[in-house]
Amino acid sequence: EVHLVESGGGLVQPGGSLRLSCAASGFTFSDTWLHWVRQTPGKGLEYVSRINADGGGITYADSVKGRFTISRDNAKNTVYLHMNTLRPEDTAVYYCARDPMHWGQGTLVTVSS
Amino acid sequence: NFMLTQPHSVSESPGKTATISCTRSSGNIASTYVQWFQQRPGNSPSLIIFEDNQRPSGVPDRFSGSIDSSSNSASLTISGLKTEDEADYYCHAYDTNTLWVFGGGTKLTVL
Repeated sequence: EVHLVESGGGLVQPGGSLRLSCAASGFTFSDTWLHWVRQTPGKGLEYVSRINADGGGITYADSVKGRFTISRDNAKNTVYLHMNTLRPEDTAVYYCARDPMHWGQGTLVTVSS
Repeated sequence: NFMLTQPHSVSESPGKTATISCTRSSGNIASTYVQWFQQRPGNSPSLIIFEDNQRPSGVPDRFSGSIDSSSNSASLTISGLKTEDEADYYCHAYDTNTLWVFGGGTKLTVL
């Protein structure tokens, strides 16, 4: 069974940094694209970033380009989202997903002073 | 890129049929598959329709999806409404670079 568990969320001040992790199991991690999607409180879903199987193909939403970095460690079956220069509008639940069928439970990031 | 537009809310009575639309702003709705998610408060999105009209295992056949090229839109239809169907529903499609595009979501109220 596919299992995705996000961690690393929390409260951070504007301008601060945070690293989210997504630990995966139940499938061949090193063969799979992985995605980060966020959901602002009471609002909709926004695609944030994706990374291909070997880490050589990466895409970001314009809203996070230059501030967020996605990476993966295939030995640890984990994908990361390094978030820098955080803004209040980055406050959201961050989900990792393998595909539209398989999502994690999300981790809440709150950017506030 | 394109946008997917959904109504903010839809209300219908138990036992009736609700339809949620998802209109693509540019490009042909049929050019990439449309998916639909159900999200209950506090939960992750759950896929209920994929590839326009396919249901994952375990999703009741009360849920159905379709696309209409004439209106460049997709629709999610839920028949025999139950109070447990009350949730937020999101449509989703891939753009030309296979990036994920979401609709703004529709709050379905069953009362």
